[in-house]
Amino acid sequence: NAGVTQTPKFQVLKTGQSMTLQCAQDMNHEYMSWYRQDPGMGLRLIHYSVGAGITDQGEVPNGYNVSRSTTEDFPLRLLSAAPSQTSVYFCASSATGTGYSNQPQHFGDGTRLSIL
Amino acid sequence: SQKIEQNSEALNIQEGKTATLTCNYTNYSPAYLQWYRQDPGRGPVFLLLIRENEKEKRKERLKVTFDTTLKQSLFHITASQPADSATYLCALRLYSGGGADGLTFGKGTHLIIQP
Repeated sequence: NAGVTQTPKFQVLKTGQSMTLQCAQDMNHEYMSWYRQDPGMGLRLIHYSVGAGITDQGEVPNGYNVSRSTTEDFPLRLLSAAPSQTSVYFCASSATGTGYSNQPQHFGDGTRLSIL
Repeated sequence: SQKIEQNSEALNIQEGKTATLTCNYTNYSPAYLQWYRQDPGRGPVFLLLIRENEKEKRKERLKVTFDTTLKQSLFHITASQPADSATYLCALRLYSGGGADGLTFGKGTHLIIQP
């Protein structure tokens, strides 16, 4: 089973460039989310989605866009990259059940992004 | 403001001993608390979930306690092994009312099991 797949694994961008981080899951999970992980800051929620066509902002949404056209895919877009967006990005998914706080989160192995 | 605290310093434990990690939270009343393991260069991996009405939960050599009065969870690894060396994260759901509705993670405790 693939689980949660993130591509690319590494990326270097120049300030102002745009790119899309891909996330796909094959577990038919309704809930998907994006986190960034920075040294000394821990994981911080960027955006999340509770199903196809439904997205909402997390703790640090500025500079990022998301969409959810299918259950499987949840891409994260950087429209104009800034050095402050240098980070490791993790996508996660879970079943919804009676609420996603009581469901294990399945994480991908991350995309390491550097903005020069 | 809501806050989750884990010992940010590395915890060194001798092989075979019990490792105990602490997760404290303020201003929350979570119904569930989760623990994850993260290895270098990898995503977090789910270990255990404990509900507010459960005092203790076990899985093989792992044990988690949840004290809603103290607002604290303890994570124990018994008979620790060098392979248990990793960063361990606690997580719970944030109810901010501002749309940040997902799991909030502590910064993690780096556990080192020495042979």
